[in-house]
Amino acid sequence: SQTIHQWPATLVQPVGSPLSLECTVEGTSNPNLYWYRQAAGRGLQLLFYSVGIGQISSEVPQNLSASRPQDRQFILSSKKLLLSDSGFYLCAWATDSNQPQHFGDGTRLSIL
Amino acid sequence: QKEVEQDPGPLSVPEGAIVSLNCTYSNSAFQYFMWYRQYSRKGPELLMYTYSSGNKEDGRFTAQVDKSSKYISLFIRDSQPSDSATYLCAMSLLGGGADGLTFGKGTHLIIQP
Repeated sequence: SQTIHQWPATLVQPVGSPLSLECTVEGTSNPNLYWYRQAAGRGLQLLFYSVGIGQISSEVPQNLSASRPQDRQFILSSKKLLLSDSGFYLCAWATDSNQPQHFGDGTRLSIL
Repeated sequence: QKEVEQDPGPLSVPEGAIVSLNCTYSNSAFQYFMWYRQYSRKGPELLMYTYSSGNKEDGRFTAQVDKSSKYISLFIRDSQPSDSATYLCAMSLLGGGADGLTFGKGTHLIIQP
């Protein structure tokens, strides 16, 4: 069966510091991968999605970037964090574009 | 007008009651509709996945889609305290959404023992 892992589970970072969040999927090949952010009182917002290695689409202009260096690895990064980057970051995968998405347990990011 | 509207609650009901959760949407092009359950500090868990209009049943859960009214519902029968969570509706143009999913903000459900 397929599993998705995100780490770290929680992270506290100072403003202006860099960020790297990692997501890996097991048990499937060439999945669609997604990064969402869930802010308090707001719905999930799609940040990036990828349909293959090195293929990244950005949905919202952000202080963030994403990379997919391997088939089942998706990384969310920032060079300099802003206070507004605080939130709950969720990674999701789908077998293909016609299948539902499945989520990891997220990383809770606090910026001080 | 927001794309997907969902009452945030909280919705509090006694154990054993039938729960009705709803979302309305504005984009008539949405084809796929999902319900996710999210426990505190956890990621959303897929509960129901439906295409176009109609009903789908899975155990105690029933999902209904009325595309003509742009209205979807999730019914939970014989509700249990373990059903207490936030329920998110989501929808997409494509099944898994190469374009991503559009979510409601979620309804916080409390089942009282």
